[in-house]
Amino acid sequence: DAKTTQPNSMESNEEEPVHLPCNHSTISGTDYIHWYRQLPSQGPEYVIHGLTSNVNNRMASLAIAEDRKSSTLILHRATLRDAAVYYCILRAQGGSEKLVFGKGTKLTVNP
Amino acid sequence: GAVVSQHPSRVICKSGTSVKIECRSLDFQATTMFWYRQFPKQSLMLMATSNEGSKATYEQGVEKDKFLINHASLTLSTLTVTSAHPEDSSFYICSARNRELGRSYNSPLHFGNGTRLTVT
Repeated sequence: DAKTTQPNSMESNEEEPVHLPCNHSTISGTDYIHWYRQLPSQGPEYVIHGLTSNVNNRMASLAIAEDRKSSTLILHRATLRDAAVYYCILRAQGGSEKLVFGKGTKLTVNP
Repeated sequence: GAVVSQHPSRVICKSGTSVKIECRSLDFQATTMFWYRQFPKQSLMLMATSNEGSKATYEQGVEKDKFLINHASLTLSTLTVTSAHPEDSSFYICSARNRELGRSYNSPLHFGNGTRLTVT
């Protein structure tokens, strides 16, 4: 799977929007962009995924650049419970079933 | 939503003993389950891929005789840490994919809440 690059950490204030960036300049045309997050002492949790178009669900929005070389996970109103490590992962169509985690972005939400 | 149950959540054992960790998909069938290990302040490291009815596929550097994986049914996979030593102390996490939802690139993996293993 192609590599992704994320900032090590970000901070936000409660009830403000948070934009978590992810660079994937070597993405191929069949790579899906997945986001997971891991709260402290828990297993990871699926957040959202997309291919080309922007995606929205009850947890977040995913904005994908037109050239697909970057994407942004948007939390519209951060809460203290959103403090977690957020992982951006590419999954290739027809590729391995394995999910390989990078270092992710540790999000701190200030009250 | 889909739930993966992992048991126990915490276990403390003495060096040299074996520990079994269970991973169950509660409301879906999982032909494939994955086992991860996570050391403090590090990311998840994939240990092995568990396929129902067949032998597990281990990642490079993971000892298959030390980390025994059994996937006897579509809803249960077990990881046994044999002859555990203090360096095996870690957070072990399983995940599973709902086979009804199609290929993994377009469907989420569901994770258990992990097992904190401490070997004394």
